Order: sequence, then structure tokens, then C-alpha cells
Amino acid sequence: TQLLEQSPQFLSIQEGENLTVYCNSSSVFSSLQWYRQEPGEGPVLLVTVVTGGEVKKLKRLTFQFGDARKDSSLHITAAQPGDTGLYLCAGEGREYGNKLVFGAGTILRVKS
Amino acid sequence: DTEVTQTPKHLVMGMTNKKSLKCEQHMGHRAMYWYKQKAKKPPELMFVYSYEKLSINESVPSRFSPECPNSSLLNLHLHALQPEDSALYLCASSQSWGMGTEAFFGQGTRLTVV
Repeated sequence: TQLLEQSPQFLSIQEGENLTVYCNSSSVFSSLQWYRQEPGEGPVLLVTVVTGGEVKKLKRLTFQFGDARKDSSLHITAAQPGDTGLYLCAGEGREYGNKLVFGAGTILRVKS
Repeated sequence: DTEVTQTPKHLVMGMTNKKSLKCEQHMGHRAMYWYKQKAKKPPELMFVYSYEKLSINESVPSRFSPECPNSSLLNLHLHALQPEDSALYLCASSQSWGMGTEAFFGQGTRLTVV
């Protein structure tokens, strides 16, 4: 059983479209991180959210942490081919021994 | 500087070889990690070092042996690996272990066992 359910698993869209990736759990996290990873490279940290209801923006990316700190979303506006990659959410909490628990990942492909 | 440096970037080794992966960070982080990642899958935690002491071993086979010589360096010694051990090995570091600290990853070592 995946502790962090991430959806969708795959997403192929045209340049200029909007998209949302979801990360859901039945457990509370003290923090949640979003990473982007390109093939053959390590994950790059995009953002960390720690407060329930928190919204953070990074250019065309908007990250939201649920009020109950059990879920998060990543919204990309006007996607570009450079956004292509594997997006990973990862949560940390006492229930998991303070280990970073990863979602299964969303493979995003943006076609020009 | 949020850089975690891993060497080598690529490694091909036979099943009888002994090799080591190296990881270095100069951010003053006191927690360092080894992860294993298969293609299109999330990273899987292998080891956690906190203040240079091994805190977590996720039931990793003994053919993988971690070492933390000092607070900036983390090694992973490899011996008698199997072809199924081929993967991307990622090192990460964070300010401390647990409690919402951000983890920064290196570029990884692509390991192929032949």
C-alpha cells in the first residue's frame, strides 16, 4: 500500500495547457516537499510546505498544502516543454519515523 | 550553495568487483542519506546517518556497506553485487534528521552490474 497516493501516474499534454498533480494520504505530515527529476539526474527540490492551507507560488507553479496536512497539489499554468520530467511528492511525519515518504511519482510530458 | 556532489556519475562493475560510491556536501548538514532508485520509480531509502552515526538501515543486504568518515562525506562500499542491484544511487543531505527539514539530492551514480 502506497502511503502517499500520487495522481495521475502519467500525463502527456500540449504546450500551453494547464495541469494539476495530486498527492493524498490518510496520515498527517509535518511537512511535504515537491521535487522534479529529469532522466539520469537527482531530484531537485521545488518547494516545501509546512502549514495547513499554505499556498506557495514558484513562477508558473502553484503548490497547496491541505488544511489537514494530509494532501497537497501542484498546479502548472501554461506548461512548457521544459517542464517535462518526473514530479515527486514526499512527506515527512512522526507516523513514519520521520523518514521522507515518497509518492509513486507523476511522469509529465509536454509536447511542443 | 545547495550542492551535493556524487562521484562517479556512471559505474559499471562485475559481480566480483569491489567499488565505492562517494558523496560530499559543504552545507553543514548533519544528516546524510543513501537512496536507490529504479527507472520511473520513486527513490527508496537505504541508510540514514545523523551526526555521523548510522541511524537507519532499511534492511539493506550486507553487500552494501555505508561509511561516514566525517560530517561532509558519505561513502557506499559495494561488494559482490547482483545484476538486480543496477540502479541510480542517490545521496541526499538535510540540516538534521526529521522534523520537516528539506532534503537536497546529488545527481546520482548510475550503477550497472554485469
